[in-house]
Amino acid sequence: RKEVEQDPGPFNVPEGATVAFNCTYSNSASQSFFWYRQDCRKEPKLLMSVYSSGNEDGRFTAQLNRASQYISLLIRDSKLSDSATYLCALISSGSARQLTFGSGTQLTVLP
Amino acid sequence: DAGVIQSPRHEVTEMGQEVTLRCKPISGHDYLFWYRQTMMRGLELLIYFNNNVPIDDSGMPEDRFSAKMPNASFSTLKIQPSEPRDSAVYFCASSRGLAKSDEQFFGPGTRLTVL
Repeated sequence: RKEVEQDPGPFNVPEGATVAFNCTYSNSASQSFFWYRQDCRKEPKLLMSVYSSGNEDGRFTAQLNRASQYISLLIRDSKLSDSATYLCALISSGSARQLTFGSGTQLTVLP
Repeated sequence: DAGVIQSPRHEVTEMGQEVTLRCKPISGHDYLFWYRQTMMRGLELLIYFNNNVPIDDSGMPEDRFSAKMPNASFSTLKIQPSEPRDSAVYFCASSRGLAKSDEQFFGPGTRLTVL
């Protein structure tokens, strides 16, 4: 089983819609969680960290459910510019503390 | 700040040739990471350095791959000999540290095609 699993999509939603992505992880010792955004043929960029109590940044809300071992990203009032691939990432406990990425979920916001 | 710089941006080569990818991290960042991204396997960590020293190379696929960091402002990833299955986008990233607050900044990537 992969350490991080994401639904690859694609998700095609109309402008203004609310869309949510989930990402499940297998290692219960995972410590830190993130959402990255990657535009087509570009590098990944950090969208937001995910905190245990959940956190919000404008139209974006990230949540962590340790009991069920998943993180989620909610995008409200989606814009055309939100079209991208969204990758979840985590850092497991241990000395390495390296990022492990999910395969990404592709989102297209339609006019 | 110029961000992480990678060169070349695109590389097309023939099977068996040596390929060298280059990276200049953000000044002041002590950690440098090499990733590979393919459709099949997603984004995978190959190796990372701390203060120019390789810390974890468990992601390096095989002996054909090698990475060096001769100084704080330069790293190379070399593939010799290259094979078609090495075709991928190779990203370099750097960060100040490994704490949650230490964001990894990615370079624009090198798109490698091995014919």
